[in-house]
Amino acid sequence: KAGVTQTPRYLIKTRGQQVTLSCSPISGHRSVSWYQQTPGQGLQFLFEYFSETQRNKGNFPGRFSGRQFSNSRSEMNVSTLELGDSALYLCASSSRTSGYNEQFFGPGTRLTVL
Amino acid sequence: ELKVEQNPLFLSMQEGKNYTIYCNYSTTSDRLYWYRQDPGKSLESLFVLLSNGAVKQEGRLMASLDTKARLSTLHITAAVHDLSATYFCAVDMEYRDDKIIFGKGTRLHILP
Repeated sequence: KAGVTQTPRYLIKTRGQQVTLSCSPISGHRSVSWYQQTPGQGLQFLFEYFSETQRNKGNFPGRFSGRQFSNSRSEMNVSTLELGDSALYLCASSSRTSGYNEQFFGPGTRLTVL
Repeated sequence: ELKVEQNPLFLSMQEGKNYTIYCNYSTTSDRLYWYRQDPGKSLESLFVLLSNGAVKQEGRLMASLDTKARLSTLHITAAVHDLSATYFCAVDMEYRDDKIIFGKGTRLHILP
């Protein structure tokens, strides 16, 4: 079974730009969660999508948005980039059919905002 | 405020020694996960603990969960250099908003 894939792996943007990150979950997984990882704040939950609906949301500003498609692939968008958005963005997929939420992570997208 | 606290945050130890990483959390939950992250890599699922008293073992690592004390431990037996990584516990907020909340991680450095 193929794992979670994320594209692109690296991105360099400037302040004020916007960016879209993509995540393809493990086949059969309908839940996709997004996390931001920084040295100072650690792993912070952004949002979770399940069957194309946002199931949960973390405490991030509205500049961070996402969506999920019918094939469970998900995209995350960050508008009006700020320097503080530089981070590793991790996507995780889960089946959520077994009653618990073991998550399987992709390799991440390293975003640098200049 | 919901908290998931790991300690220590950094641990340097000699090969062959035993040690324990602690994960305390501040809300009711019967589900807890442990992950490993190597430098520059993503997170790898290690253990899924789903009830009070759950114990899982894989090689030199053993994880346990005490839901009454809101405490999970990750015990390392006879450490080897290959276990050097950052270890995260993550609490499943099943009785609240169903989010997963991660601890800050314990950076483990095993000296040969």
